[in-house]
Amino acid sequence: GQNIDQPTEMTATEGAIVQINCTYQTSGFNGLFWYQQHAGEAPTFLSYNVLDGLEEKGRFSSFLSRSKGYSYLLLKELQMKDSASYLCAVGHNTDKLIFGTGTRLQVFP
Amino acid sequence: DVKVTQSSRYLVKRTGEKVFLECVQDMDHENMFWYRQDPGLGLRLIYFSYDVKMKEKGDIPEGYSVSREKKERFSLILESASTNQTSMYLCASQVGTGGGGNTEAFFGQGTRLTVV
Repeated sequence: GQNIDQPTEMTATEGAIVQINCTYQTSGFNGLFWYQQHAGEAPTFLSYNVLDGLEEKGRFSSFLSRSKGYSYLLLKELQMKDSASYLCAVGHNTDKLIFGTGTRLQVFP
Repeated sequence: DVKVTQSSRYLVKRTGEKVFLECVQDMDHENMFWYRQDPGLGLRLIYFSYDVKMKEKGDIPEGYSVSREKKERFSLILESASTNQTSMYLCASQVGTGGGGNTEAFFGQGTRLTVV
């Protein structure tokens, strides 16, 4: 089976840094994805990690530790438009893609 | 740009009806997925398909079936719709990797189904 956990809600201030954690337990692990979903819209891809370490992409970075079953998404210089849900998803070697319940981030001025 | 198109944005059906949700992708992707999204429960995988006529159950397949007769089209079927199937349904497609790696999945805009 699989289990993916992430916080339900987080709040932060414009210009700040926020870290959204995701822990997982699964067999056949084949990479971890982060998606962003604005209210009423489809999820859009942010990042993918398959090896341990940090992947940086502009204001967003994603980290993976396979031995700990742990990932985080780091958002820097927060903007109001970053208010959205952030979805952690685990890829499997069968190509199955399983999502966590998502973290709703609210950014305040 | 990859395009994943779901046939309806909003749908209202009666209890007991047979409902078809259609999804078409234009990038020759091998993998296609159907999820439902409910508040507090996130995206839950109903079925996925890794090739024409091939399908795998996801976490919540009960009450649903799927059809993939052509590579670009993946249909979700509610055999006899019930009120607890009222939800947002999202289709996604992805390049197939044969288990050798994983790639970005692209989503359709979703179908909000209400069963009354």
